Amino acid sequence: QKEVEQNSGPLSVPEGAIASLNCTYSDRVSQSFFWYRQYSGKSPELIMSIYSNGDKEDGRFTAQLNKASQYVSLLIRDSQPSDSATYLCAFATGTASKLTFGTGTRLQVTL
Amino acid sequence: GAVVSQHPSWVICKSGTSVKIECRSLDFQATTMFWYRQFPKQSLMLMATSNEGSKATYEQGVEKDKFLINHASLTLSTLTVTSAHPEDSSFYICSASRGSGVNSPLHFGNGTRLTVT
Repeated sequence: QKEVEQNSGPLSVPEGAIASLNCTYSDRVSQSFFWYRQYSGKSPELIMSIYSNGDKEDGRFTAQLNKASQYVSLLIRDSQPSDSATYLCAFATGTASKLTFGTGTRLQVTL
Repeated sequence: GAVVSQHPSWVICKSGTSVKIECRSLDFQATTMFWYRQFPKQSLMLMATSNEGSKATYEQGVEKDKFLINHASLTLSTLTVTSAHPEDSSFYICSASRGSGVNSPLHFGNGTRLTVT
């Protein structure tokens, strides 16, 4: 069983719509969860981090964590073409931020 | 601005040669840095954890004699791909965290695209 599962996509949404990205994980002791955005040919950049159950909002982004169900999601409101990228979810267990990544979901925001 | 700097951003080398990649933490000290590798259309796979002043910890399946890691200072870790082969062609990315706790997010360098001909 994969440790982190994401739908590879592509997920296509029109400009201005809400994009919903989902991720499930198998390690119940995972403590920290992160969403990274990766443009083609570039390294990942941190979008959101979430550590406790519930929602966390930052601008157009909202991360949702449900540890009981072992899923974490990312909502992008008012999607823009510049949001088109691959979104990687990752989790950390223990110290020193050693991350396990999902394979990413490719998001396409269409005009 | 960038908190982790990686150099070079791309390199092309001939099969059998060695390539060194540098990773620097900017304005903070990183006792631990991480080296990842990403093949096309795949996710990031952790190769090794670089520990300042001690030996690196390699993930299962990563040859420590092929991928030499040196973390000689609190701001610099290097990865040397020795005797590179075409199958080593990949995107190598280093990362570091400002803190040591589990809640300290990783920041990534810009990556190095290695092409072995």
